Amino acid sequence: DGGITQSPKYLFRKEGQNVTLSCEQNLNHDAMYWYRQDPGQGLRLIYYSQIVNDFQKGDIAEGYSVSREKKESFPLTVTSAQKNPTAFYLCASSISSGHEKLFFGSGTQLSVL
Amino acid sequence: QQQVKQSPQSLIVQKGGISIINCAYENTAFDYFPWYQQFPGKGPALLIAIRPDVSEKKEGRFTISFNKSAKQFSLHIMDSQPGDSATYFCAAGNDYKLSFGAGTTVTVRA
Repeated sequence: DGGITQSPKYLFRKEGQNVTLSCEQNLNHDAMYWYRQDPGQGLRLIYYSQIVNDFQKGDIAEGYSVSREKKESFPLTVTSAQKNPTAFYLCASSISSGHEKLFFGSGTQLSVL
Repeated sequence: QQQVKQSPQSLIVQKGGISIINCAYENTAFDYFPWYQQFPGKGPALLIAIRPDVSEKKEGRFTISFNKSAKQFSLHIMDSQPGDSATYFCAAGNDYKLSFGAGTTVTVRA
């Protein structure tokens, strides 16, 4: 089945630690995105990538980093500079960079120990 | 700065009733208005979307109404079913960026 796989489902971060969230897609989509979801708030864009080896900051990129070395993979690193990392992180993809019909993964819940 | 405002935050409807969720946007350059449905612990899934060249779009029990002059759009869920219980997000955008509303949690009572 085609889709987006996010792992792990739950992740805990210690103070000062960097953690990486995995996102893999087998939909052959060009564009990939990372969103952050907080309770009672809409999804906020962290980073997006339209093609391999290229990515742009979204609205809340501070404290996060990404890479896009392969078309199917778009990992997100939450660095120690992100002071409030507890949230539900969603990875998404779309056929092209037009943002139409986003396909979302099942998310990773990140919590701080 | 919230570019898309969504209301209500939550609603409860009886089985068979109509659920109505409203959204308002600011940026007149927006030309794509989707609605996403999200179940607990899952990622959102596209439900229905509309472009500003039409005032209404219907897919099954779900209808989007769009008012360009008022910069508002709404989702109507007809004959609501318990399986429709979920969080619904409106969004608006163009090119490479979508702005999402805060979400509405819909509970359908049997």
